[in-house]
Amino acid sequence: AQKITQTQPGMFVQEKEAVTLDCTYDTSDQSYGLFWYKQPSSGEMIFLIYQGSYDEQNATEGRYSLNFQKARKSANLVISASQLGDSAMYFCAMREGRYGGATNKLIFGTGTLLAVQP
Amino acid sequence: DTGVSQDPRHKITKRGQNVTFRCDPISEHNRLYWYRQTLGQGPEFLTYFQNEAQLEKSRLLSDRFSAERPKGSFSTLEIQRTEQGDSAMYLCASSLDGRGTNEKLFFGSGTQLSVL
Repeated sequence: AQKITQTQPGMFVQEKEAVTLDCTYDTSDQSYGLFWYKQPSSGEMIFLIYQGSYDEQNATEGRYSLNFQKARKSANLVISASQLGDSAMYFCAMREGRYGGATNKLIFGTGTLLAVQP
Repeated sequence: DTGVSQDPRHKITKRGQNVTFRCDPISEHNRLYWYRQTLGQGPEFLTYFQNEAQLEKSRLLSDRFSAERPKGSFSTLEIQRTEQGDSAMYLCASSLDGRGTNEKLFFGSGTQLSVL
């Protein structure tokens, strides 16, 4: 069964430093999508970055980049130059199923709580 | 369009009562999802609509739960005979059709349900 694993319940990082949040996934599909979401204490889920399984280059969005290692089934999020506003829960998610199939849902990991210290 | 709207933001009810939540997706989005999130956990998938068709339901969605999306616009999630274990944040999300970044979900602020 498809599964997302985030092994870091919580992390600290100093402001302006880079931080890597780990995510591994398990799927038998050849086509899948990987997502990272941020959930601040206010509760809304904010999309950060997307990586398709056939994308050859790692995705980047501003200070966010996704370190995609397909053979190891890992999709780690790298946040460069951390800011105080980056303090939040971070969820890794995977879209399972093939295009045109009946399912397009995302499954989520348990999240990593990131605290940025001044 | 300001995004996905959910109503109410908070709902407190007594065990055994029925509750109904509403979700208004982003207008051009034809996919709509319901998720449930408990404290310290990631969102768990409940059900998914493509336009007005409910294409998938999770095993988490017991027969006390029903969701509708008439005319492929807004959606409602009803929980009958609520139990204390139903207490959670209920999140609605919508997305465009297609693959790639088009399939990213836009989430509403959620409805926090507390069953006493």
